[in-house]
Amino acid sequence: DTGVSQNPRHKITKRGQNVTFRCDPISEHNRLYWYRQTLGQGPEFLTYFQNEAQLEKSRLLSDRFSAERPKGSFSTLEIQRTEQGDSAMYLCASSSGLAWDTQYFGPGTRLTVL
Amino acid sequence: DAKTTQPNSMESNEEEPVHLPCNHSTISGTDYIHWYRQLPSQGPEYVIHGLTSNVNNRMASLAIAEDRKSSTLILHRATLRDAAVYYCILYFGNEKLTFGTGTRLTIIP
Repeated sequence: DTGVSQNPRHKITKRGQNVTFRCDPISEHNRLYWYRQTLGQGPEFLTYFQNEAQLEKSRLLSDRFSAERPKGSFSTLEIQRTEQGDSAMYLCASSSGLAWDTQYFGPGTRLTVL
Repeated sequence: DAKTTQPNSMESNEEEPVHLPCNHSTISGTDYIHWYRQLPSQGPEYVIHGLTSNVNNRMASLAIAEDRKSSTLILHRATLRDAAVYYCILYFGNEKLTFGTGTRLTIIP
């Protein structure tokens, strides 16, 4: 069990550019969650997957955001036409999907939009 | 979503016990009380959870009031490594976690 990994750990981009983040969950975890965290706030839910199916999306996930989990393993989160307000820490978590199971978080990807 | 209320910040001396309170007066009968913590520059990590009875694990203890409207996370002997933001979350399971702003715990050497 190597834990949840996220890449890159840091990303600096210019406004208007597209960015993509990757999350590798704990192997055999079938649930994968994306959260966003801004300074001084707790993480906010963005979306989650059960295997390859995206089951819920937050209102925070505008049409510039898209997430995929093509084979039910790793996931990608893409932000198109980035804005300065997208600057945040993007966190990924996974769980086994069993009842009462805890979520295991990765270290996050810190995005800075200039 | 059910809400929790926690103090914004607390301080404790190293090697002393720490009691972190959480109020959740609107808790439903099926909500579990979960605690996560977030160390600086890291993702949140699970600490402990309970439903009605007090719970202990290697990291902490969770004391739950009889009416379940409040709970207390107890760190028995705080170390510098315990300095973090602690989140109290009501969680039914298999769904998104709803974080508040948590309690920022400072450990004084």
